[in-house]
Amino acid sequence: AQSVTQLDSHVSVSEGTPVLLRCNYSSSYSPSLFWYVQHPNKGLQLLLKYTSAATLVKGINGFEAEFKKSETSFHLTKPSAHMSDAAEYFCVVNSNQAGTALIFGKGTTLSVSS
Amino acid sequence: EPEVTQTPSHQVTQMGQEVILRCVPISNHLYFYWYRQILGQKVEFLVSFYNNEISEKSEIFDDQFSVERPDGSNFTLKIRSTKLEDSAMYFCASSESGRAKNIQYFGAGTRLSVL
Repeated sequence: AQSVTQLDSHVSVSEGTPVLLRCNYSSSYSPSLFWYVQHPNKGLQLLLKYTSAATLVKGINGFEAEFKKSETSFHLTKPSAHMSDAAEYFCVVNSNQAGTALIFGKGTTLSVSS
Repeated sequence: EPEVTQTPSHQVTQMGQEVILRCVPISNHLYFYWYRQILGQKVEFLVSFYNNEISEKSEIFDDQFSVERPDGSNFTLKIRSTKLEDSAMYFCASSESGRAKNIQYFGAGTRLSVL
């Protein structure tokens, strides 16, 4: 069965420092992986997706993630945090090869201090 | 940019009452979904809907739940007799197709409080 594990429930960084949000996945086949972000009172917004093309995926707002099959990881990074990055981040995998249901991690709350 | 719209943002209901959560998916999308997130827990898939029928559903989606596309724009989730444990944030999503690579676009959610 497909699953994702977000290794940190809360990450705190200072503005201008790098961001690393960790995600490990489990999949019996080549997965599609996504990172979504949720700002307060907003919908879930797609940051980036991996669908078996390039292993380094670039998303919006300077975020990127690298798919590492050997480590079953899909960590989200950003070189320099901005105050507006403070939000809840979800690592997501498709449930099966037909792909209609998504499976979410528990989420990581990112706090950014000035 | 097109977006998924959900109403109301917060719904309060008494246990045992019926509730309908409403969603307007992105206009050219063909697949529609409902997810829920109980406070402190993961976002969970409930159901997907295509061509006026359910294409996939989870164990959570029992006989108390139903979905409908009553017209060309709305997509609804009905809970027939609400229970305390139905209190959660409910997210609607839509996508162009059902392929694994396709992006699902989410609404801001409806917070359902069952008293």
